[in-house]
Amino acid sequence: DIQMTQSPSSLSASVGDRVTITCRANQSISSYLNWYQQKPGKAPKLLIYLASTLQSGVPSRFSGSGSGTDFTLTINTLQPEDFATYFCQQSYNTPLTFGQGTKVEVK
Amino acid sequence: QVQLQESGPGLVRPSETLSLTCAVSGYSISSGYYWGWIRQSPGKGLEWIGNINHSGTTYYTPSLKSRVAISVDTSRNQFSLKLSSVTATDTALYYCARLVWYEVLIDYSNAGYFQLWGQGTLVTVSS
Repeated sequence: DIQMTQSPSSLSASVGDRVTITCRANQSISSYLNWYQQKPGKAPKLLIYLASTLQSGVPSRFSGSGSGTDFTLTINTLQPEDFATYFCQQSYNTPLTFGQGTKVEVK
Repeated sequence: QVQLQESGPGLVRPSETLSLTCAVSGYSISSGYYWGWIRQSPGKGLEWIGNINHSGTTYYTPSLKSRVAISVDTSRNQFSLKLSSVTATDTALYYCARLVWYEVLIDYSNAGYFQLWGQGTLVTVSS
């Protein structure tokens, strides 16, 4: 199984900040990496697929980059509605696996 | 607007079979995509269970494969999960989802990502 590791596990930020979350795979997964946002009591929501493509309806302040084993989710100008937990997921092979999540909290 | 809605018992006895159904509205399962199940628990995080397409082709995670069956009912536009011989470790929030599924160009394996999710349903395994 491909192991996905996110860092940090949590971070504190303020509205207007630029936030960066990292996801690392334990083997190369090319660009087969996806990002999800989950708010308390809600299902995860797809933000970015295949490393850098923004899902329809997702604000452009979200962006993704990376390939191989190292990937980044960036939130430019953090908004109040962006405080949530973010997960990465590899779609290179099965079993599909997720990172453990990064919680973005209010500073 | 496509929506997915899970339903099923919230409490299952140990050693029995967990059964959940996901009703899809706003889109015909027969039109495409794969349809799958994921669960989330504090101890294991998000865990992919498996998925199916309209013709019944399935993919399962190896760790659960011996206990899992996913089926599709295109006439009712729904798909279902059965997980047998449950234990307390199967207690989790279960989600159904629509997947974009593809062949990975590099090595011709199959994989995908979760495009739409249901709201989730909590299943507790307890006597």
